[in-house]
Amino acid sequence: AQTVTQSQPEMSVQEAETVTLSCTYDTSENNYYLFWYKQPPSRQMILVIRQEAYKQQNATENRFSVNFQKAAKSFSLKISDSQLGDTAMYFCAFMTWDSNYQLIWGAGTKLIIKP
Amino acid sequence: DSGVTQTPKHLITATGQRVTLRCSPRSGDLSVYWYQQSLDQGLQFLIQYYNGEERAKGNILERFSAQQFPDLHSELNLSSLELGDSALYFCASSPRTGMYLFFGQGTRLTVV
Repeated sequence: AQTVTQSQPEMSVQEAETVTLSCTYDTSENNYYLFWYKQPPSRQMILVIRQEAYKQQNATENRFSVNFQKAAKSFSLKISDSQLGDTAMYFCAFMTWDSNYQLIWGAGTKLIIKP
Repeated sequence: DSGVTQTPKHLITATGQRVTLRCSPRSGDLSVYWYQQSLDQGLQFLIQYYNGEERAKGNILERFSAQQFPDLHSELNLSSLELGDSALYFCASSPRTGMYLFFGQGTRLTVV
């Protein structure tokens, strides 16, 4: 079965610190897409970053970057210089041909940025 | 603004009633997805349409149905509503299967 595991239900850091959210997944596929979505208190789902499994280079989007370890099936999200507006639920997800390209979601990590 | 528009934003209705949620995808996106998110839960995939045809079905109840129209907007119909149907319903669109999804702001449904 294809699964996504986010082992940290909740994290909190001080503003301006760097924080890393962990995500592991399980699939027998070789080609797939990985995502991090953010859901702030407004409840809107916002795409943070996307990684294609065939690309070795880690994706980066401003203060957000990933550490993609394909062999370990790990896809962690690093947020640098964290800001109060980063407070949100963060969901890791992936899709594969085997999942009919439907997103398989993790349970989420609640991130709180403290002033 | 993701470009995906959902209406209404909030809906309060009684048990046993029927409601229709509407979604307009981003311009040019052919795929529309519907998700349900109960309080403090993850997203549950309901159904996907691609260019007017049903592409994939998830954990969608028989009381729920959806369709995508020729202009690509989609509607999710929920009938015989129960208290447990109270949730945030998201619509998302993507240009093609396998691409990232852009989500609308959701419709918050409260069944009383």
